[in-house]
Amino acid sequence: DIQMTQSPSSLSASVGDRVTITCRASQKISNYVNWYQQKAGKAPKLLIYGASSLQSGVPSRFSGSGSGTTFTLTIRSLQPEDFATYHCQQSYSIPRTFGQGTKVEIK
Amino acid sequence: EVQLVESGGGFVQPGGSLRLSCAASGFTFSRSWMYWVRQAPGEGLVWVARLNSDGSSSRYEDSVKGRFTISRDNAKNTLDLQMNSLRHDDTAVYYCAREDGDNSGWHFDLWGRGTLVTVSS
Repeated sequence: DIQMTQSPSSLSASVGDRVTITCRASQKISNYVNWYQQKAGKAPKLLIYGASSLQSGVPSRFSGSGSGTTFTLTIRSLQPEDFATYHCQQSYSIPRTFGQGTKVEIK
Repeated sequence: EVQLVESGGGFVQPGGSLRLSCAASGFTFSRSWMYWVRQAPGEGLVWVARLNSDGSSSRYEDSVKGRFTISRDNAKNTLDLQMNSLRHDDTAVYYCAREDGDNSGWHFDLWGRGTLVTVSS
């Protein structure tokens, strides 16, 4: 199975900050990475698919990049509604595997 | 409205059984590959089972093989998960999710709200 490792596991940031979360795959997976946002008690919500494509309706301050084994999710200017947990996920092979999540908290 | 709504969660003793259901609406369910994904308290997301669009091909996460069965009724737009021989570590919120995409990439674009399964004596 492909292991997805996110870093950091948590971070504290202020409104307006630029935030970057990294996800590393245990083998090359081209651009088959997705990013999800999950707020407490809610279902995950798709933000980015195919490493860099923005899901419809998602604000443009979210962006994704990377290929191969290293991927990043960037939030350009953190907003109050962005405080949540973010998960990466690979769709290169079955089983679909997720990172352990990165919790973004208010500083 | 395009949505997935899970039901059937609850409290069960170890060794017991539970059947989860997911009702789909607002999209062509019969064309969609469907998944169950779970999340233990305070933990990350874990894929549990997958079923292709016509129900002919299923896959399971290793820890649930032989205990869980995923099925669907395309006439009723429902996806089920029969869970037998439940263990403490099956305690989680179970989400129904739709996988969309093509050969350039696949992603879970629609999720239900989840249903909580608690396995405890």
